Amino acid sequence: DAMVIQNPRYQVTQFGKPVTLSCSQTLNHNVMYWYQQKSSQAPKLLFHYYDKDFNNEADTPDNFQSRRPNTSFCFLDIRSPGLGDAAMYLCATSPDLGAAYEQYFGPGTRLTVT
Amino acid sequence: KQEVTQIPAALSVPEGENLVLNCSFTDSAIYNLQWFRQDPGKGLTSLLLIQSSQREQTSGRLNASLDKSSGRSTLYIAASQPGDSATYLCAVRPSGGSNYKLTFGKGTLLTVNP
Repeated sequence: DAMVIQNPRYQVTQFGKPVTLSCSQTLNHNVMYWYQQKSSQAPKLLFHYYDKDFNNEADTPDNFQSRRPNTSFCFLDIRSPGLGDAAMYLCATSPDLGAAYEQYFGPGTRLTVT
Repeated sequence: KQEVTQIPAALSVPEGENLVLNCSFTDSAIYNLQWFRQDPGKGLTSLLLIQSSQREQTSGRLNASLDKSSGRSTLYIAASQPGDSATYLCAVRPSGGSNYKLTFGKGTLLTVNP
């Protein structure tokens, strides 16, 4: 089945130690998104890639970066994780950019910072 | 700035009961509204998507309604089951500007007791 896959499902990292989260998709969608969802909070869009074009949300901290080496894969890099970065990170894809295109979500990666 | 509010934050009901979850949004200029389900520690599963021109959508025991002018949506769950226990989130897309962006509510945590 075509799907959005996130690895790992659970990640523990130490304060200040760089960490990378992975997302892959078999849907061949043009757009990939990363959301951050803290406990009992609404998911918050960090950035998205439209093909190879990177689009950062204005309030996304510089500590968060992303790479998309090809259509299928997108990575979220946290350069120096703080305790406040502990959250569920959700990857989503859509065929194209715009309200008419539904977003398909992966299972998420829960990040713990010790 | 669009704000989405979901009330109540948590709801506990006995099995078999019909229930309604509420979602309100401050800016009625939306393209569509979507209801998601999120199981503990998991990603988002889309339940229903209502276009701004529609009044309701149904899928099985779920019925979502939309009153765009008053900024409200409801998710009706008939004959609730313990397997319905999850967090339910609503999200809206704007009709203009960056209309790919989903603005989420914080969700309603539903517990259905056997």
